[in-house]
Amino acid sequence: RKEVEQDPGPFNVPEGATVAFNCTYSNSASQSFFWYRQDCRKEPKLLMSVYSSGNEDGRFTAQLNRASQYISLLIRDSKLSDSATYLCVVSITDDKLIFGTGTRLQVFP
Amino acid sequence: DARVTQTPRHKVTEMGQEVTMRCQPILGHNTVFWYRQTMMQGLELLAYFRNRAPLDDSGMPKDRFSAEMPDATLATLKIQPSEPRDSAVYFCASGRAGVGSYEQYFGPGTRLTVT
Repeated sequence: RKEVEQDPGPFNVPEGATVAFNCTYSNSASQSFFWYRQDCRKEPKLLMSVYSSGNEDGRFTAQLNRASQYISLLIRDSKLSDSATYLCVVSITDDKLIFGTGTRLQVFP
Repeated sequence: DARVTQTPRHKVTEMGQEVTMRCQPILGHNTVFWYRQTMMQGLELLAYFRNRAPLDDSGMPKDRFSAEMPDATLATLKIQPSEPRDSAVYFCASGRAGVGSYEQYFGPGTRLTVT
């Protein structure tokens, strides 16, 4: 079983739609959680950290459920520019990150 | 705008040849990571360094891969001999451990094709 699992998608949604991705992790000792974004043929970049209380950054909302060991990302009012692969990331130690294989989002006009 | 740089950006080589990839981390960052990304496996951590010391290279095939940090401004990943299954995108990333930030800044990657 992979340490971080994601639905690979693709999720094809129209502009303006709300879309949610989930991710599960296997190690209960995981301490920190993140979503990274990777555009086609580009490097991954940090989108947002995920806090236990949940957090929001504009149209993006991240949630963490430690009991069920899953993380979610909600995107409201999708834009064409949101099309990318979203990587779920967990950290067990203070600097080693474990990446999921990503969920691909395609927003169409 | 500080960035991680990697060279070369693309490399095509024949099976059996040596490949060396270079990375310049962001000045002031004390951790450096090497990842390999393929469609099937996603991003896999190959090795990482903190303050130039290797901390974990368990993800790296030891018989053919080696990673070094000869100084704070240069990290290298070497494959000798290369094989077709090594074809992938190799990313270097850097970060600052110990300051409460886990963010890693990735370079643009080296796209390696071994024929």
